Amino acid sequence: AQKVTQAQTEISVVEKEDVTLDCVYETRDTTYYLFWYKQPPSGELVFLIRRNSFDEQNEISGRYSWNFQKSTSSFNFTITASQVVDSAVYFCALRGGSNYKLTFGKGTLLTVNP
Amino acid sequence: DTEVTQTPKHLVMGMTNKKSLKCEQHMGHRAMYWYKQKAKKPPELMFVYSYEKLSINESVPSRFSPECPNSSLLNLHLHALQPEDSALYLCASSQDASGSNPSYEQYFGPGTRLTVT
Repeated sequence: AQKVTQAQTEISVVEKEDVTLDCVYETRDTTYYLFWYKQPPSGELVFLIRRNSFDEQNEISGRYSWNFQKSTSSFNFTITASQVVDSAVYFCALRGGSNYKLTFGKGTLLTVNP
Repeated sequence: DTEVTQTPKHLVMGMTNKKSLKCEQHMGHRAMYWYKQKAKKPPELMFVYSYEKLSINESVPSRFSPECPNSSLLNLHLHALQPEDSALYLCASSQDASGSNPSYEQYFGPGTRLTVT
């Protein structure tokens, strides 16, 4: 069975603060894929990143960075110098090696206040 | 801008109506998906089409009927819906849906907000 836990239901920060969204996953697959999606109020899920289980390198893209640690089964997402436009629900998701299905976490609502 | 488009953006229908949701992708993907998302919940998978054939039906009631006329288009036909079917319906596509390529990320459309009265 696969499971994704996003323990933070809601986070509120002031603009320019750094914020980390936590994601912990469970899977029995040795090969798996982790994803982050952003869902702004408009509704569309925007793909942010995919990380393969065999690639533990962290990644940085502009103000976004991701920390993948297999030892703790975590795939955390940090936004540096947050902006109001970052306000959205963020979903972490997992897909196992032979599984067609994306397992989503419950999402974290991030509100960035001016 | 998303390369997965959905129409209409909003739909209000009565329980006796028949309506259709439409989705189109312009990325040459061979897999397309329908998801249902209730407020404050993650998306729930409904159907998967792979190479224009229905490969997965997640035990969805028959009042939802998917159709894939070609590799770029995906429809969801709605008939005799219930008020609890009110939700955001999301279409997604990916390069492949086969178990041999689970790495491909899914790209989502903007969704159709459906209200059943």
